[in-house]
Amino acid sequence: DAKTTQPTSMDCAEGRAANLPCNHSTISGNEYVYWYRQIHSQGPQYIIHGLKNNETNEMASLIITEDRKSSTLILPHATLRDTAVYYCIVRVARDMGRRALTFGSGTRLQVQP
Amino acid sequence: DGGITQSPKYLFRKEGQNVTLSCEQNLNHDAMYWYRQDPGQGLRLIYYSQIVNDFQKGDIAEGYSVSREKKESFPLTVTSAQKNPTAFYLCASSIGALKNIQYFGAGTRLSVL
Repeated sequence: DAKTTQPTSMDCAEGRAANLPCNHSTISGNEYVYWYRQIHSQGPQYIIHGLKNNETNEMASLIITEDRKSSTLILPHATLRDTAVYYCIVRVARDMGRRALTFGSGTRLQVQP
Repeated sequence: DGGITQSPKYLFRKEGQNVTLSCEQNLNHDAMYWYRQDPGQGLRLIYYSQIVNDFQKGDIAEGYSVSREKKESFPLTVTSAQKNPTAFYLCASSIGALKNIQYFGAGTRLSVL
């Protein structure tokens, strides 16, 4: 898996967009960017993934830079329930189902009322 | 409603006792996984199964055992040989071995009496 770097913590006001960055400067051409989050004392939750195009689903948007060396997860209207640790993982798609998920330290997002 | 169900949510083990954690999924996924998470730490893989009646050891299998007699079920037994069993146990599943996202249950918190 390519090495990723995320800020340790971020704050966001409720109702505003939360933009969580991830640097992955050593990403290779066949590696995807995946985002998970873990709310305290719950199981990790898959959010979104992408290769090079921007992606959007009902939870979030993923913006990947043209050189693919960094990406940003956007929660468009953060709520208090989005308070969690967010993890960025970079790996080849074929490894997602057959190797253990390894989380780095992630970004602790605190949504403030 | 499809998903992964882990039970019980909390479990207490006495010295020398074996305990079994349940994991059931109705997602029709072939692959299933057991992870252990210690406070403030990442995930460590205990066992995984790519298909019914087959499973492989992960990084920390000692003191644990599993079975995969049905596609939907992947129970984990924490044996008395596991000397430090207190942890948060997470079960996950994915459609298959390749290119597939792992989805997680809510977890079981095991403590020693």
